[in-house]
Amino acid sequence: DVKVTQSSRYLVKRTGEKVFLECVQDMDHENMFWYRQDPGLGLRLIYFSYDVKMKEKGDIPEGYSVSREKKERFSLILESASTNQTSMYLCASSPTVSSTDTQYFGPGTRLTVL
Amino acid sequence: AQKITQTQPGMFVQEKEAVTLDCTYDTSDQSYGLFWYKQPSSGEMIFLIYQGSYDEQNATEGRYSLNFQKARKSANLVISASQLGDSAMYFCAMREVLIIRRAGGTSYGKLTFGQGTILTVHP
Repeated sequence: DVKVTQSSRYLVKRTGEKVFLECVQDMDHENMFWYRQDPGLGLRLIYFSYDVKMKEKGDIPEGYSVSREKKERFSLILESASTNQTSMYLCASSPTVSSTDTQYFGPGTRLTVL
Repeated sequence: AQKITQTQPGMFVQEKEAVTLDCTYDTSDQSYGLFWYKQPSSGEMIFLIYQGSYDEQNATEGRYSLNFQKARKSANLVISASQLGDSAMYFCAMREVLIIRRAGGTSYGKLTFGQGTILTVHP
């Protein structure tokens, strides 16, 4: 079974703090994704990575950065957390090439910025 | 740009009845994939069913089926014989096939999600 894990289920941070959200997958997938989920808006893509050290901006990259130093790990970084970044953050991974590939999601991190 | 619309914020169904969750999409691509995910209160997203744009038959997975009407750009999820454990948020998503080409291989594009529908199954 594909397993995607996220470092925290719940996180509370203060405005201005630097925040790291970690995601690890154990299936040697090349593609990894970070989404945020907000009520009424569904999931919106922040960044994705299709290889180590490679990244692409998604729909809402402002205020975020990412790091992929190893294939299995994809980190989302909030350089200076703000209250409007309070949200549920979901990480996902998928294998390459196959046209039917789904994405496998982690359990999510609910981040509150005070 | 791709767009997914789920017009039902919430749906209610009696246990053992069937329910249809609506999803319409908009894309200029000829080739695309459509997915449905379930998100229980625990938060994780569970893949349910997939339909390719060139698939001639509607996809089915156990109690889940996808009513795919390409001309109308709709991909409704039908859950038969609802169970209490089906109570959850359901998301429709589309995967663009525009791929990023890189040395040594290719990768496929991102998923675009709808707003979600909360399904409540009553006993």
